[in-house]
Amino acid sequence: GAGVSQSPSNKVTEKGKDVELRCDPISGHTALYWYRQRLGQGLEFLIYFQGNSAPDKSGLPSDRFSAERTGESVSTLTIQRTQQEDSAVYLCASSLEGRRANIQYFGAGTRLSVL
Amino acid sequence: SQQGEEDPQALSIQEGENATMNCSYKTSINNLQWYRQNSGRGLVHLILIRSNEREKHSGRLRVTLDTSKKSSSLLITASRAADTASYFCATVPYSYDEKLTFGTGTRLTIIP
Repeated sequence: GAGVSQSPSNKVTEKGKDVELRCDPISGHTALYWYRQRLGQGLEFLIYFQGNSAPDKSGLPSDRFSAERTGESVSTLTIQRTQQEDSAVYLCASSLEGRRANIQYFGAGTRLSVL
Repeated sequence: SQQGEEDPQALSIQEGENATMNCSYKTSINNLQWYRQNSGRGLVHLILIRSNEREKHSGRLRVTLDTSKKSSSLLITASRAADTASYFCATVPYSYDEKLTFGTGTRLTIIP
């Protein structure tokens, strides 16, 4: 089956605009994760969805960031009033369950550039 | 701070040589995973080692885990140009928190 799909692959926006990034996880995967990766850096956890449980939002850097997930499918990450510091690659991953041993499958990411 | 810290940050070797990368972490883990990231792409899972395992092999990859030293190493034997990528370790804590925590990565360059 298809892997994790993210769109758009690239997004250029002006400072102050809102952006919405989309993630389609692998079918049947109940856990979904968003990460941010700045140039040359590691992965920074943003948010985690597991089934119908309340999401773990502990990694969201500010209230300008929010994410939603429809059931166990598509997720959108919204950044309001974008700032230049938001420029990064945003990666989405899904796993079969949110259990400790499970492997995460990553999308190719959305490269966000804020001018 | 990051749970996992890779060492070295960057490594360049000749094709055919072996490459070794290390990962240190701070808290007790359930398992440790290694991922590869090619430039401009997402991460790809390579291998998972559980806290009760000491060594694991997968093709040209060999992973060791020393829980007493809270460290792991990834060895790539007979390196190829296609192995050029960034390599990340990721730990799953033993606590109820189930999130993977990624290290800062090692940038490996294989010189043809």
